[in-house]
Amino acid sequence: GDSVTQMEGPVTLSEEAFLTINCTYTATGYPSLFWYVQYPGEGLQLLLKATKADDKGSNKGFEATYRKETTSFHLEKGSVQVSDSAVYFCALLYSSASKIIFGSGTRLSIRP
Amino acid sequence: EAEVAQSPRYKITEKSQAVAFWCDPISGHATLYWYRQILGQGPELLVQFQDESVVDDSQLPKDRFSAERLKGVDSTLKIQPAELGDSAMYLCASSFLGDSTDTQYFGPGTRLTVL
Repeated sequence: GDSVTQMEGPVTLSEEAFLTINCTYTATGYPSLFWYVQYPGEGLQLLLKATKADDKGSNKGFEATYRKETTSFHLEKGSVQVSDSAVYFCALLYSSASKIIFGSGTRLSIRP
Repeated sequence: EAEVAQSPRYKITEKSQAVAFWCDPISGHATLYWYRQILGQGPELLVQFQDESVVDDSQLPKDRFSAERLKGVDSTLKIQPAELGDSAMYLCASSFLGDSTDTQYFGPGTRLTVL
């Protein structure tokens, strides 16, 4: 069945380091892809999305490119801040439905 | 900025007891979702409403879980009786249209602990 696999955490980086969180998916069609972020004590927030192959989603310095050939949607940021500490979820959604399938989440901790 | 409201934020109960969670979506959002998030995992959809109608409850354990959205606005999720394995975060989300181009907005969740 359809699924999302993302790198296990926790990921710990120093402030201003480069971030990559890997995400790959298994799907029979052409889903939309998302990154959600969950800050401590809060609900999930949409960080960015891409709806078709080669699209790049971006927000708050984060970027991810929809790679159909490698079925990937890796999250990157050039220089992380302490305030980026959170849990990040990769997810997919089909155009024929509105049911999101989430990965298991990656906890990111940034040291000052 | 409009937000999805949920209450209570935390609930501790003993197994075999009944619990209920409430969600108030963003005003004007027709689609409402209930998710369960087990610690260390991503959220899983339990039930989806379009207005007052259920459109997907395939993952809802119907022997003990029930959900309603009587007037197509706020919603209640109930568990009776609660079991130890029900301990999780219960998230509510809403969206305007409910289609694949529509952003789902999540509430802060209700953390349930069953003793």
